Amino acid sequence: QVQLVESGGGLVKPGGSLRLSCAVSGFSITDYYISWIRRAPGKGLEWLSYISSSGTDTNHADSVKGRFTISRDTAKNSVYLQMNSLRAEDMAVYYCARERRLGSPYLDNWGQGTLVTVSS
Amino acid sequence: SYVLTQPPSVSVAPGQTARMTCGGNNIGGKSVHWYQQKSGQAPVLVVYEDSDRPSGIPERFSGSNSDNTATLAISRVEAGDEADYYCQVWDRSRDRLEFGGGTKLTVL
Repeated sequence: QVQLVESGGGLVKPGGSLRLSCAVSGFSITDYYISWIRRAPGKGLEWLSYISSSGTDTNHADSVKGRFTISRDTAKNSVYLQMNSLRAEDMAVYYCARERRLGSPYLDNWGQGTLVTVSS
Repeated sequence: SYVLTQPPSVSVAPGQTARMTCGGNNIGGKSVHWYQQKSGQAPVLVVYEDSDRPSGIPERFSGSNSDNTATLAISRVEAGDEADYYCQVWDRSRDRLEFGGGTKLTVL
C-alpha cells in the first residue's frame, strides 16, 4: 500500500542545518509530484516545496526560498528536504505528501511527520 | 498570494450538522480541497475538487463551492470528528498550494 515515511528531524541550533528524508513505498516518485508541508506549534499547515514527477521542476515557498532545497533519489524512491540557516520559526512537524495533479493539485497521502526543533 | 479565510473554531452537538467555511476572492472559480487533522496525527484528505470524497471517507462529509465561499459540511457529527479542518487551493500563477488557517471543530 501507499506509504510515506519521514525521518531526519531533531534538535538543531539556530543557523544550523538538517536534511529530512521521505521514503516512499507503494508507488514510484517518478509517477507523482511530492510536496513538503509543515505545521508549526499553534499554527496551521504551510506548504513548503514540491518536486515534479520528472524531477526537473521544483518550487519553494517564499518563507524558505534560498534556505531549503528539495531533491530526490529515484533509486531509493526517496525525496529529501535540505534545510539550511534554520531559524526558531522553522520549528515544526514536517510532512511529506503525494500530490495528485490531474487538475488542481491536492495531497492524497501523507506521512506521519518528523519533528524539527530549533533551539540554542 | 491567494488568501483563504477560515473561522478559527466551530462547535456543534453530536448528531447535528457542522458547517465550516473557507472564504476567498472568487473561490468558486477554483477547486477546493479539504483535510482533517486530528490531534497528534497526520492530515487526511476528506474532500477533493470541491465535493468528491476519497474512498474510505464517510458520506457524512460533503463539500460545496460557490462565489466567494467554499463549505465543508459534516452531518450526524460524532465525537471522533473533532479535529482541525483545512481548506486548500492551487495558486496557479505561482504554482503553489495555499492553505487556509484552519478551523478547530469541537463536538460539545
